[in-house]
Amino acid sequence: DGGITQSPKYLFRKEGQNVTLSCEQNLNHDAMYWYRQDPGQGLRLIYYSQIVNDFQKGDIAEGYSVSREKKESFPLTVTSAQKNPTAFYLCASSQGAPYNEQFFGPGTRLTVL
Amino acid sequence: AQKVTQAQTEISVVEKEDVTLDCVYETRDTTYYLFWYKQPPSGELVFLIRRNSFDEQNEISGRYSWNFQKSTSSFNFTITASQVVDSAVYFCALSEGMRNMLTFGGGTRLMVKP
Repeated sequence: DGGITQSPKYLFRKEGQNVTLSCEQNLNHDAMYWYRQDPGQGLRLIYYSQIVNDFQKGDIAEGYSVSREKKESFPLTVTSAQKNPTAFYLCASSQGAPYNEQFFGPGTRLTVL
Repeated sequence: AQKVTQAQTEISVVEKEDVTLDCVYETRDTTYYLFWYKQPPSGELVFLIRRNSFDEQNEISGRYSWNFQKSTSSFNFTITASQVVDSAVYFCALSEGMRNMLTFGGGTRLMVKP
């Protein structure tokens, strides 16, 4: 089945630790995205990538980093510089044109202890 | 800058009632795309519909219908004869011109009670 997988589903981290969230897609999509969702709020764009080996900052990139070494993979690292990392993180992909819908993964819920 | 507003943060209805979720957008582009997504309790967003700025025809899909009005910059979503399974958070989103990025509204939480 084609789709997007994110792992792990739940993640706990101590303050001061970096953590990497996985996102893999087998839809052969060019573009991939990372969003953050806080309780009762909408989605905010962290980073996006239109093509392999290229990515751009979204609205809230501070304290996060990404890489896009393979078309199917777009991992997100939450660094210790992110002041309030506890949130629900969603990965998405699309064909790359603005009229194409984005397909979303099941999300990773990160809790900082 | 583009902006999407969903003024209704939470709506509660009884099963079989009709309900309309409002979406108002702001954009300077003449070419743009509007989307609705559903987020059930599991968390994964599910695509419902896409509409481009040149197509103001309303659309109906089963119990779902969408009303796009450029004159009021609105793209409202109506569920007819709501069911408990419709309970979810619904997001309206906007994509402008050649920018392949979505701007989301804050979402509307719909609770359908039996």
